[in-house]
Amino acid sequence: DSGVTQTPKHLITATGQRVTLRCSPRSGDLSVYWYQQSLDQGLQFLIHYYNGEERAKGNILERFSAQQFPDLHSELNLSSLELGDSALYFCASSANIGITEAFFGQGTRLTVV
Amino acid sequence: ILNVEQSPQSLHVQEGDSTNFTCSFPSSNFYALHWYRWETAKSPEALFVMTLNGDEKKKGRISATLNTKEGYSYLYIKGSQPEDSATYLCAHHNTNAGKSTFGDGTTLTVKP
Repeated sequence: DSGVTQTPKHLITATGQRVTLRCSPRSGDLSVYWYQQSLDQGLQFLIHYYNGEERAKGNILERFSAQQFPDLHSELNLSSLELGDSALYFCASSANIGITEAFFGQGTRLTVV
Repeated sequence: ILNVEQSPQSLHVQEGDSTNFTCSFPSSNFYALHWYRWETAKSPEALFVMTLNGDEKKKGRISATLNTKEGYSYLYIKGSQPEDSATYLCAHHNTNAGKSTFGDGTTLTVKP
């Protein structure tokens, strides 16, 4: 158990809908990273938050947004869902930025039908 | 090198063989290099975080080296065991530090 909790584990939804994925980092970790793994692709960096502030963005679509709350949990919002958004979404947390180990949650499997 | 590249893509070895793989990354704006082990149906597990040129890290039979000037890192596994079978990922953090870029991984299969 990495100490990072992601909910839900599985999500099936229809095209055009909006979903929210939740990530609770390890106790004390200030950084939360979000990644997407689509079929037959590697881990794609989406966005990074540190202590409530956005630090870096990757190839995150405009239909996607995220935030980190004062209690440091983070949410990834995906809207106007398309079939191609079906993927495994991971979050990872670390104590600092880049120089400390990152711990991954178990992922949320999103299926858009 | 503009992206993070890992080679080989896959590797099949016999139990007891030693093996190594490469992670190549942009040498400019380097901040940190992470290695992960990713078993099927699990999530990536951190192995090493490397920040300084010439860094060498070791954990049991697994070790890693870092050359930031030429932009590469090697991961070595000594005396491979079947339980070492997994995909090994590297991730590069640039000086923005907040952004991490993963390679596609090297999938290792160790046959008993």
